[in-house]
Amino acid sequence: AQSVTQLDSHVSVSEGTPVLLRCNYSSSYSPSLFWYVQHPNKGLQLLLKYTSAATLVKGINGFEAEFKKSETSFHLTKPSAHMSDAAEYFCVVSDRFSGGYNKLIFGAGTRLAVHP
Amino acid sequence: DAGVTQSPTHLIKTRGQQVTLRCSPKSGHDTVSWYQQALGQGPQFIFQYYEEEERQRGNFPDRFSGHQFPNYSSELNVNALLLGDSALYLCASSLAGDIPGNTIYFGEGSWLTVV
Repeated sequence: AQSVTQLDSHVSVSEGTPVLLRCNYSSSYSPSLFWYVQHPNKGLQLLLKYTSAATLVKGINGFEAEFKKSETSFHLTKPSAHMSDAAEYFCVVSDRFSGGYNKLIFGAGTRLAVHP
Repeated sequence: DAGVTQSPTHLIKTRGQQVTLRCSPKSGHDTVSWYQQALGQGPQFIFQYYEEEERQRGNFPDRFSGHQFPNYSSELNVNALLLGDSALYLCASSLAGDIPGNTIYFGEGSWLTVV
């Protein structure tokens, strides 16, 4: 069965420093992997997605993630944090055999705080 | 192009009551899914509708039911509300077809508080 583990519930960084949000997944088949962001009182916005093409995926707002099959990881990074990046981030997986690619399995989320 | 729209945005209900939440998918999308996001947790899949039928269901009791209309809009109904049903309910729309990386769009959600 699919599952997603976000290794940090809270991450705090200073503005201008790098961001690393860690995610490990479990999937019985070639997964699709996503990162979504949720700002307070807002819906979910797709940051980026991996679908078995390039293992390094670039998304919006300077975020990128690297798919590492051997480590079953899909960590999210950004070189320089902005105050506007403060939000909740969700790592998400789907695959063909666990409900299909239209059914998303979410991690518990990582709350990113950015300090001046 | 309107994205996924949900109504109402906030509502308060009493234990034992029933609630109906509504969703209009993104233009051109024919598949609607519903998710429940309890405070401090990730969203959990409730069920999915395609061609006016429930296509698959997550681990939620029968108190949770839904409907999809010919124009692809959808309703989520919850009967006999419990305090634990208090959550943000998110509607997601997508195109049918089991395509890797199928982009799924979310509405801003309906906040339900059960007192």
